[in-house]
Amino acid sequence: DAGVIQSPRHEVTEMGQEVTLRCKPISGHDYLFWYRQTMMRGLELLIYFNNNVPIDDSGMPEDRFSAKMPNASFSTLKIQPSEPRDSAVYFCASSLFGLVDTQYFGPGTRLTVL
Amino acid sequence: SQQGEEDPQALSIQEGENATMNCSYKTSINNLQWYRQNSGRGLVHLILIRSNEREKHSGRLRVTLDTSKKSSSLLITASRAADTASYFCATDEIQGAQKLVFGQGTRLTINP
Repeated sequence: DAGVIQSPRHEVTEMGQEVTLRCKPISGHDYLFWYRQTMMRGLELLIYFNNNVPIDDSGMPEDRFSAKMPNASFSTLKIQPSEPRDSAVYFCASSLFGLVDTQYFGPGTRLTVL
Repeated sequence: SQQGEEDPQALSIQEGENATMNCSYKTSINNLQWYRQNSGRGLVHLILIRSNEREKHSGRLRVTLDTSKKSSSLLITASRAADTASYFCATDEIQGAQKLVFGQGTRLTINP
């Protein structure tokens, strides 16, 4: 298995632009997580899905953030409009058995909003 | 609020020495996990220890868990340059919102 795949690996955009991050989880994993990592706040869980259904989005910072999982092999995290404070590394992770099971992380997308 | 907190924040040792990192947490847990993150990469799971276990080994890694003190330690023996990375503990909470909460990590540097 190729592991969790994320794209793009790097994204540089200007304030106000829409940003879409993409994730392909490991095949067969029923849980998908989106995290954000910054120096100040560390690793934060934004939202997670179980069987393509969003379960807990309490970590999503604002309405500017939205996430979808149209099928078992694809998820997106969208920021619209983007702001400089959204600059961070965004990770997607998946797990087989549950929320607190071993999680497998993708390589991350480094987002810079100018 | 921070669940797992690693100590020290940074550690620098010579290759071949042992490295010990600690993690403290606040609430009762079901299990505790350790992850490694190389610079510019995603986190990689190292080991999971359940609340009813006291010690676990995996290769050069040794993890202990003391639920009475709400603390865990990760020992890397005979360190190598490739062990240079950040190490995170992650805990779940028995009560409250069920999710994995990561600490701020220990930055480990192995000097050749």
